[in-house]
This record gives sequence, structure tokens and C-alpha cells, in this order.
Amino acid sequence: KQEVTQIPAALSVPEGENLVLNCSFTDSAIYNLQWFRQDPGKGLTSLLLIQSSQREQTSGRLNASLDKSSGRSTLYIAASQPGDSATYLCAVSGSARQLTFGSGTQLTVLP
Amino acid sequence: NAGVMQNPRHLVRRRGQEARLRCSPMKGHSHVYWYRQLPEEGLKFMVYLQKENIIDESGMPKERFSAEFPKEGPSILRIQQVVRGDSAAYFCASSPDGNTEAFFGQGTRLTVV
Repeated sequence: KQEVTQIPAALSVPEGENLVLNCSFTDSAIYNLQWFRQDPGKGLTSLLLIQSSQREQTSGRLNASLDKSSGRSTLYIAASQPGDSATYLCAVSGSARQLTFGSGTQLTVLP
Repeated sequence: NAGVMQNPRHLVRRRGQEARLRCSPMKGHSHVYWYRQLPEEGLKFMVYLQKENIIDESGMPKERFSAEFPKEGPSILRIQQVVRGDSAAYFCASSPDGNTEAFFGQGTRLTVV
């Protein structure tokens, strides 16, 4: 059974800092990995999707990497802003195509 | 192209009533997934449907919960005889073929009083 763990559970940083969020998964037989953002009381916004054959994806200030063999992914956020404050969720998709989510990292960027 | 539409956004039901949650996938998407987010917990998969077919319902509670995705109209998640423990945010996601990125709706927040 796939399990996804995210570390840290919460993170508070001053504005402008670069930061890294970590995600690990137990079963390396994944189809893809997605990073989402969730604001309080809101839905999920997809940030980046990495196919299992890829090593990284970039979008603006965000860069996600994937090391399938070790079961790890990182989300790098450059030059953080208060508007980046949210919960960041990592999810992996297996052969059944359903997503298995981690519990998230709650990020607070202080002005 | 509108995103995944869920309604209602908020739903209040008394214990024992039925709750019906609707999800209209993005245009051209024929694969729908339902997830539940209990308070202070992560999102958990419930069911995966294609038009008129249930593909995987391994995450659905065995009793009181059912889902459908008819040929015409939205996907429906139905909860019969709701209990307080059903209070949660229910999210729907859709994808065009089950192999590519899934897009999520804003969720329905169910409160059972």
C-alpha cells in the first residue's frame, strides 16, 4: 500500500527566502507525482506534474524534482512571498490512477 | 472551458438525512474521481468512475455511500442516513483519459448537525 509522507508538517519563513519542501513515498512504481497548493477552505490548485520518466519540472519560481528510485520529491520555492502562504500537498499516482496524498506542509511566509 | 464544477459548495444535513453531492467534470473529461478530506486529515481516495462505469471503489465506505456517473449529467456522490462523522470536504477531480493530470473542483463542505 502506497504511503506518502511530507516533511516538515509546518514551516514559517521570512519573505524572500528560498525554501524546500520534502515528499517521500514508499512504492516507487508510480505513474506520476503532483504538487498541489490548498488555501484554507478552498480547493486544490495543481502546481506541477512530473511524469515518472522525468526528473524535474519548473514553473516560474517553483521547481519540483523527482527521484523515483529513492522515493523522494522536493518542491523548491524561490524568493518566497506572503502570497505563497498555503498548504502544499504532494500526491502520487499509481497504476490505478488514483492519487495518494501526503498530509501536507503548511507554509507561512512572513512579510 | 470552465473548470470542474461542484455543487453545492456548502451543505448542511441533519443526522439521518441524505446528502447528494454533484460534480460536473471539465469539458471533454470522461474520468471522475472523488476524494474526502476529514477535519485535520489528508485527502483520501474514495471512488474512480468513467461514464456509466465504476472503475475503482476501494476507498468507499461499504455502507451508505454510493456514486454514479451517468451518460448524461454530472457525477453524483450520495450519502444516505448521514452521521456526524461524515462531516468533511468532498472533492471531485476529472481527467480526459485517466493517464494525465487531474483537475480538482472547489469541493463541497458537508456539515452534519
